[in-house]
Amino acid sequence: AQSVAQPEDQVNVAEGNPLTVKCTYSVSGNPYLFWYVQYPNRGLQFLLKYITGDNLVKGSYGFEAEFNKSQTSFHLKKPSALVSDSALYFCAVRGNYGGSQGNLIFGKGTKLSVKP
Amino acid sequence: IAGITQAPTSQILAAGRRMTLRCTQDMRHNAMYWYRQDLGLGLRLIHYSNTAGTTGKGEVPDGYSVSRANTDDFPLTLASAVPSQTSVYFCASSDSVTDTQYFGPGTRLTVL
Repeated sequence: AQSVAQPEDQVNVAEGNPLTVKCTYSVSGNPYLFWYVQYPNRGLQFLLKYITGDNLVKGSYGFEAEFNKSQTSFHLKKPSALVSDSALYFCAVRGNYGGSQGNLIFGKGTKLSVKP
Repeated sequence: IAGITQAPTSQILAAGRRMTLRCTQDMRHNAMYWYRQDLGLGLRLIHYSNTAGTTGKGEVPDGYSVSRANTDDFPLTLASAVPSQTSVYFCASSDSVTDTQYFGPGTRLTVL
């Protein structure tokens, strides 16, 4: 079965420090991987995705993620965190539940808190 | 309209009542989805539609129904609401070219 794990419920970093939000996945075949961000009382916003090609993917707001096939990981990173990055982050893998063209299977989310 | 809209923004509903959550997209995406978000569980797929005229069941379909009469609209109906359906509901759409799903702002539903 396809699944996504985000091992940390919360990540705390100081502003200006690098941040990493962890994600591991389990799929059969080649994974399509995504990161979304959710600000309070808002919908999910797309950050970046890995479909194929370069293992390092760059996305919105200075975020990037590294696909590691051997470790089945897709960790989200940013070199220098901002207070405004504080939000809930979701990792997802594309599934095919039933006959779905491509529903997303989400991790449980990681709350990122960046302190000044 | 730009992107995906959902209505209402929030609703308090008595148990046993019928409720339809509305979702409209203007991106001409073929596929649409309904998810519910619950604390500690992430988002779970309720129903999906690969294209207008077709629908399918997701991970947690019980108590919900959907229809897809045209490309733009994908309403979700709770025939007889129960308290366990208290959640935040998100509609999403995607196209096969970008393989990216775009989400609406959500509907916060409370069933008492």
